[in-house]
Amino acid sequence: EPEVTQTPSHQVTQMGQEVILRCVPISNHLYFYWYRQILGQKVEFLVSFYNNEISEKSEIFDDQFSVERPDGSNFTLKIRSTKLEDSAMYFCAHRSQGDEQYFGPGTRLTVT
Amino acid sequence: AQTVTQSQPEMSVQEAETVTLSCTYDTSESDYYLFWYKQPPSRQMILVIRQEAYKQQNATENRFSVNFQKAAKSFSLKISDSQLGDAAMYFCAYRRAGTASKLTFGTGTRLQVTL
Repeated sequence: EPEVTQTPSHQVTQMGQEVILRCVPISNHLYFYWYRQILGQKVEFLVSFYNNEISEKSEIFDDQFSVERPDGSNFTLKIRSTKLEDSAMYFCAHRSQGDEQYFGPGTRLTVT
Repeated sequence: AQTVTQSQPEMSVQEAETVTLSCTYDTSESDYYLFWYKQPPSRQMILVIRQEAYKQQNATENRFSVNFQKAAKSFSLKISDSQLGDAAMYFCAYRRAGTASKLTFGTGTRLQVTL
């Protein structure tokens, strides 16, 4: 299974602060995704990214969220002003031409 | 909108026995993919098995197999010869065919494996 890395593994931040979550996918993969999982709940789609632009975003992905791939490798998710309800596991996923999406190990975000 | 339903919040199986986890979905699409993901306590999401909707043959990966009933929109996962390491949350997921289409997940089934 192709390996995706995410940093940091755990981030603690205060409400109102900005956070940037990073993902390093496989370089030749084309499609990138962010999902989140609030503790004890199902995994929810946030945004998909293809060819350096957003393909689709969910209603969760409001103006507080942004994604970019600044250097052609790292894929980042920024939350501008965190809220308590943003506390969750955030997963980066990627896909090549195949059907499967492979997930990174996740970043656990705790907002206090 | 597509929905995925897992009606069993928890299941238990004895080691070496067989267990089946249920999943149903709702879609108006004819071309799509279905997946089962395993999430152990580490919370890593691990792909277990996938099924293409256009294939009638049920997918199999070692001890894991699916029963795909397209007309009934049912996609169950069978784990044979259960092992302690199979204990985890199992999520059923749907993705319509298309370039960047997202995964839609069910609420998960927690599987316990007992001695």
